[in-house]
Amino acid sequence: GENVEQHPSTLSVQEGDSAVIKCTYSDSASNYFPWYKQELGKGPQLIIDIRSNVGEKKDQRIAVTLNKTAKHFSLHITETQPEDSAVYFCAASRGYGGATNKLIFGTGTLLAVQP
Amino acid sequence: NAGVMQNPRHLVRRRGQEARLRCSPMKGHSHVYWYRQLPEEGLKFMVYLQKENIIDESGMPKERFSAEFPKEGPSILRIQQVVRGDSAAYFCASSLTSFVDTQYFGPGTRLTVL
Repeated sequence: GENVEQHPSTLSVQEGDSAVIKCTYSDSASNYFPWYKQELGKGPQLIIDIRSNVGEKKDQRIAVTLNKTAKHFSLHITETQPEDSAVYFCAASRGYGGATNKLIFGTGTLLAVQP
Repeated sequence: NAGVMQNPRHLVRRRGQEARLRCSPMKGHSHVYWYRQLPEEGLKFMVYLQKENIIDESGMPKERFSAEFPKEGPSILRIQQVVRGDSAAYFCASSLTSFVDTQYFGPGTRLTVL
């Protein structure tokens, strides 16, 4: 069935360092890959997404890369700050019109940025 | 510019009672998704609805759970005869279209079953 694996489950970095989170998906029909940040007691907040026709996307300190051949995508956060500390989830979706757009989520990465 | 709204934010029920969770999508959005997050776990898809239609309920438990999104008013997730295993955070998301579109999440309803 559809599955998204996410690694690592926990990640501790020093402020100013980079953080990388990796995900692998099983459904070759997936074509939409969002990343969400979830702070304690809150709902997931979209931070960046990438569609299958693009290999890389960047938004200030955040970037996502996609390798469709390997069915692998990654989140890169540069110059980390304490406020980046949260749980990060990757997800994958088929997302084609007329059918389900459900997101299949990874298991999450708890990122701790040490001041 | 209100986002996705969910109420109540916290709900306590005793075993055997009914829980009703409400979700109002973002303005202009007609696609609603419900996800469940068990303690220390990721989010699991439950159901996808458009106005007056259930499009995909492949993640819904076969018994006790139902969802609706009427022509007027919020989407409702109903859990009948709750059990302790239903204790979780339930999140609603909405999107503008169904075609590779961003899903925006609400703050969630945290259900505790005593």
